[in-house]
Amino acid sequence: QVQLVQSGAEVKKPGASVKVSCKASGYTFTDYYMHWVRQAPGQGLEWMGRINPNSGDTNYAQRFQGRVTMTRDTSITTAYMELSRLRSDDTALYYCARDESSSSYNWFDPWGQGTLVTVSS
Amino acid sequence: DIQMTQSPSSLSASVGDRVTITCRASQTVSSYLNWYQQKPGKAPKVLMYAVSSLQSGVPSRFSGGGSGKDFTLTISSLQPEDFATYYCQQTYNTPWTFGQGTKVEIK
Repeated sequence: QVQLVQSGAEVKKPGASVKVSCKASGYTFTDYYMHWVRQAPGQGLEWMGRINPNSGDTNYAQRFQGRVTMTRDTSITTAYMELSRLRSDDTALYYCARDESSSSYNWFDPWGQGTLVTVSS
Repeated sequence: DIQMTQSPSSLSASVGDRVTITCRASQTVSSYLNWYQQKPGKAPKVLMYAVSSLQSGVPSRFSGGGSGKDFTLTISSLQPEDFATYYCQQTYNTPWTFGQGTKVEIK
C-alpha cells in the first residue's frame, strides 16, 4: 500500500536548520509530486511548497522563499524538506503529502505521520 | 493569496444529526476545492476533492457542494467516528491555502 514514513522529532535552537525526510513506498516515486504542509500547535494547516520528484523542480510558498529547500533522492525514494534560520514560531508538526490528481484537480493523499520540530533556546 | 474562511469554527452536535460546514474563498476558486478530516494526533485525510467527488472509501453520508467562492460539506447523519476537525483547501492558485478548520464536537 502507498505509505509515507517521516523522520523523527527534532529539537533545534533558534537560527539553526532542520532537515525532515519522507520515505515513500508502494508506488512509483517519480510519478507524483510531493507537498510539505505544516501545522503549528493547536493551529490550522499551512502549505509550504512542493517538489516534482522526477525533475527536482520546486514551487515554494512566498513566505518560505529563501528559507526552505525541498530535495529528493530517487535512489531511495525519499523526499526532504530543509528549513533554515529557524524561529520559535517555526515550532510545528511538518507533514509530507503525496499529490493526487484527476483531470486538472489535485488533492493530497496520503499524508505522512508528521514530524514535530521544536525550536527552543 | 486566496483566503479560505470556514464557519462555524466549532459546533456541537449529536449522533444522527445533519451537519453542514461552510467554506468561503476570498476570490473564485472555481471547483478546485477539497475537504479533509483530521482526528487528534493523526494526519489529515482527504474526504472530498473537486467540490463533490467522494474519495474512495469515504462513507456516502459525506457530501460536498458549491462553486466559485462558496462551498459546503454536509454530513447527513453524524456518526461517533465523525467527531474531528474539518478543513477546506483550494488548489486553484498557489499557495494552496486551507481554511482555519471546523471542530465538530459531541453534544
